[in-house]
Amino acid sequence: NAGVTQTPKFQVLKTGQSMTLQCAQDMNHEYMSWYRQDPGMGLRLIHYSVGAGITDQGEVPNGYNVSRSTTEDFPLRLLSAAPSQTSVYFCASSYSGVEYNEQFFGPGTRLTVL
Amino acid sequence: AQKITQTQPGMFVQEKEAVTLDCTYDTSDQSYGLFWYKQPSSGEMIFLIYQGSYDEQNATEGRYSLNFQKARKSANLVISASQLGDSAMYFCAMREGPTWMDSSYKLIFGSGTRLLVRP
Repeated sequence: NAGVTQTPKFQVLKTGQSMTLQCAQDMNHEYMSWYRQDPGMGLRLIHYSVGAGITDQGEVPNGYNVSRSTTEDFPLRLLSAAPSQTSVYFCASSYSGVEYNEQFFGPGTRLTVL
Repeated sequence: AQKITQTQPGMFVQEKEAVTLDCTYDTSDQSYGLFWYKQPSSGEMIFLIYQGSYDEQNATEGRYSLNFQKARKSANLVISASQLGDSAMYFCAMREGPTWMDSSYKLIFGSGTRLLVRP
């Protein structure tokens, strides 16, 4: 199993550009989510999905879109990048419906918006 | 109000000694879960230990144990016999609500504690 994979590892954008961060998991997890981590802070939830076709907003959803067309993939779209979106982005997945729902994290994408 | 509070931005510990990292939480749900994650300098998030709100015993995983004091709403991580490889950021996180609720899978993180193990 590859676990949770994210691409790219690093990305530099100019203000106003759009891009998609990719996330895939091969563990057949129902639940997937995106977090961002800013310096000196913990992770904050952007969007999450409890299954294909179902998504919902987290704590900091503005400026981001998601969709979940398959169980395996959960891409995060930046519509018009802003310097405030400079951060490290983590994708995570877990089983649903269990008490001990450890979330498995991808390696992260470091995004810089100039 | 902060849902997860980690009051120690940074800590030192001597190799082979034990160290306690503090975490307090705030929730009105009866069903919740508490997690600790380790983030080394390489950046990945590594799951360490989990405690459910209904668990009567403190969770343990190898050298990690969780000192769960429900009435005080604290879930401190204890690392015994510290090793140089334990130097990292440590995050406490919480999920709220019963697991049949979709929203219960959202994790709320604290701001972390940076631990440095001295040889």
